[in-house]
Amino acid sequence: RKEVEQDPGPFNVPEGATVAFNCTYSNSASQSFFWYRQDCRKEPKLLMSVYSSGNEDGRFTAQLNRASQYISLLIRDSKLSDSATYLCVVNGPGRRALTFGSGTRLQVQP
Amino acid sequence: DGGITQSPKYLFRKEGQNVTLSCEQNLNHDAMYWYRQDPGQGLRLIYYSQIVNDFQKGDIAEGYSVSREKKESFPLTVTSAQKNPTAFYLCASSMGTPDGYTFGSGTRLTVV
Repeated sequence: RKEVEQDPGPFNVPEGATVAFNCTYSNSASQSFFWYRQDCRKEPKLLMSVYSSGNEDGRFTAQLNRASQYISLLIRDSKLSDSATYLCVVNGPGRRALTFGSGTRLQVQP
Repeated sequence: DGGITQSPKYLFRKEGQNVTLSCEQNLNHDAMYWYRQDPGQGLRLIYYSQIVNDFQKGDIAEGYSVSREKKESFPLTVTSAQKNPTAFYLCASSMGTPDGYTFGSGTRLTVV
């Protein structure tokens, strides 16, 4: 089983739609959680950290469910510029580097 | 402006050759990392370094080597022992605790 699993998509949504991605992780003792955004043929960029109480940054909301070991990302009022691959990222105990999921591709259509 | 610089952006290697990918940061970050990304896949950890003169193997270290002689620099050598080196290589740095990374813009290596 992969340490971090994501639905690869693609998720094709119209502009203005709300879309949600989930990600599951295998290590129940994982401590830090992030969402990264990666544009085609570019480096990943930190979108937001994910906190236990959930957190919001503008149109983006991240949630963490430790009991079920999943992380979610909700994007409201989708823009064309949101089209990208969204990487779920986890850090576990005893591991000094982040583990990346394979990503979920989002395509926002006009 | 502080940042992390990878060079070259594109690299072509003949089979049997060793090549070295450069990664330099001026963020004063203690930790540096190398990842490999294949098309449609996530990032896989090759090597990482928490402090100068120390580094650890990641999940796919075979066929690669690194050095960390300076805090700012963490070059990656892709040796001829790496059987399938064609990939997108990403270098990253962080303050040391596993916090969000800053990535370089990557090097695309192609074996010809």
